[in-house]
Amino acid sequence: NAGVTQTPKFQVLKTGQSMTLQCAQDMNHEYMSWYRQDPGMGLRLIHYSVGAGITDQGEVPNGYNVSRSTTEDFPLRLLSAAPSQTSVYFCASSYTGRTDTQYFGPGTRLTVL
Amino acid sequence: DQQVKQNSPSLSVQEGRISILNCDYTNSMFDYFLWYKKYPAEGPTFLISISSIKDKNEDGRFTVFLNKSAKHLSLHIVPSQPGDSAVYFCAAKRSQGAQKLVFGQGTRLTINP
Repeated sequence: NAGVTQTPKFQVLKTGQSMTLQCAQDMNHEYMSWYRQDPGMGLRLIHYSVGAGITDQGEVPNGYNVSRSTTEDFPLRLLSAAPSQTSVYFCASSYTGRTDTQYFGPGTRLTVL
Repeated sequence: DQQVKQNSPSLSVQEGRISILNCDYTNSMFDYFLWYKKYPAEGPTFLISISSIKDKNEDGRFTVFLNKSAKHLSLHIVPSQPGDSAVYFCAAKRSQGAQKLVFGQGTRLTINP
């Protein structure tokens, strides 16, 4: 079991560029989500998915797109990167029960210049 | 509007003593609470949780206390060990909200030898 994997670990973009952050899990979890972590802000939910073909917005969705074509993968797309999107991004997955624990990936550190 | 707050950005404790980390929440609909631990350059890992039907949950050296009337929870670590040095995040969710977690800002705990 690899758990939750994220690529790349680090990325530097210029303002206006687009890119996709990859996330995959091999635990057959229905629920997957993306968070961003900023200093003094904790982790904030960007988008989430309760199963293949189903996605919804979290607390801070603007500037990001997601899709869920398979159970395993949940990529996060930055359409036109802005310096405000400089952050550390974490993907997480879990079963959908109320007490089921979310497992986090190692994170992607993104810098937008 | 910060629904989950950790008002202490940092805490320093001597090895062997008790560490107490605090968390307050404002949304009375939250009914499940979790603590995550995060080391640098890694994703958060689940530590301990508590349901709103309980006021205490214990797991080895870690105990979480919940005071619903005060909308306050705390994490006690006894005895504190150097490996406990990390950032601790409090998180909360609603039964009706799938797995959508709302995180506090985090408290950096340093255990001094």
